Amino acid sequence: SSELTQDPAVSVALGQTVRITCQGDSLRSYYASWYQQKPGQAPVLVIYGKNNRPSGIPDRFSGSSSGNTASLTITGAQAEDEADYYCNSRDSSGNHAVFGGGTQLTVL
Amino acid sequence: EVQLVESGGGLVQPGGSLRLSCAASGFTFSSYWMSWVRQAPGKGLEWVANIKQDGSEKYYVDSVKGRFTISRDNAKNSLYLQMNSLRAEDTAVYYCARDREPSPYCTNGVCYDYYYYYMDVWGKGTTVTVSS
Repeated sequence: SSELTQDPAVSVALGQTVRITCQGDSLRSYYASWYQQKPGQAPVLVIYGKNNRPSGIPDRFSGSSSGNTASLTITGAQAEDEADYYCNSRDSSGNHAVFGGGTQLTVL
Repeated sequence: EVQLVESGGGLVQPGGSLRLSCAASGFTFSSYWMSWVRQAPGKGLEWVANIKQDGSEKYYVDSVKGRFTISRDNAKNSLYLQMNSLRAEDTAVYYCARDREPSPYCTNGVCYDYYYYYMDVWGKGTTVTVSS
C-alpha cells in the first residue's frame, strides 16, 4: 500500500478550479512534487517544492501544503488537463521515494 | 536537449532475467541521483530503486530487494537495472528518471528543516512482460 493517499478520481467543469489532494506523514517533512501523466505517455513534472513550476508548465497549476496534506490546484481547468496526477516525496526514512496512488482528473 | 532513453525490455519467462539500460544525454549524468520507476498495466507509478551519483548508495522497494540490482556507468552516461528471478507481478513499463536529491527549503537566507524532492526528467519507458 502507498504511504501517500490520493482520491482515485476527481472531476471539474471546463474553466473551473479543481484541487487534488495528497496525504501522508512524510509530507510533514517534504513538499510533495506533482506529475501529470496522459495515456500512453511518460509522467511530466508539473509542480515541485513550495510552489515551483518547471519551464513550460502553465501558471494555472499551483501547489500548496499544510500539515500532512499537499494540494495541486488547477485554476481554470482546460480540456488538455484531463490526465492522471501523482504526488511524490521521499518516505520517512528519507532514502526511498514514494508515490501516491494517483488521481484521475476528468474535465467535463 | 536533456534526454533519457530506456532499452532492454521484452518478454521473459517467470524466473528469468533481464537487464534494462537507460542512456542519458544533455546533462552531467555523474552529478545526479537516478531512479527507476515502474507502472504495471492499468496501475499507478511505483518507485523501484535509486542510486547516488557515485554509486555508493543504492535503495530498493521491498518487493524487488534481493532480486533487482541498480547500477550506473558514469563514463558511459548510463543507468542499469539488472532484474533476476522475475515474477508476473514485475510486468510493467519501466521508466528511468533523474532524481533531484532532497534539499532544504531556504528563503531570505534562512533554511528550514523541511525539504523538497522531485524527479524532473523522465524517459519514455521500456516494457517488461513476464509470462510463460
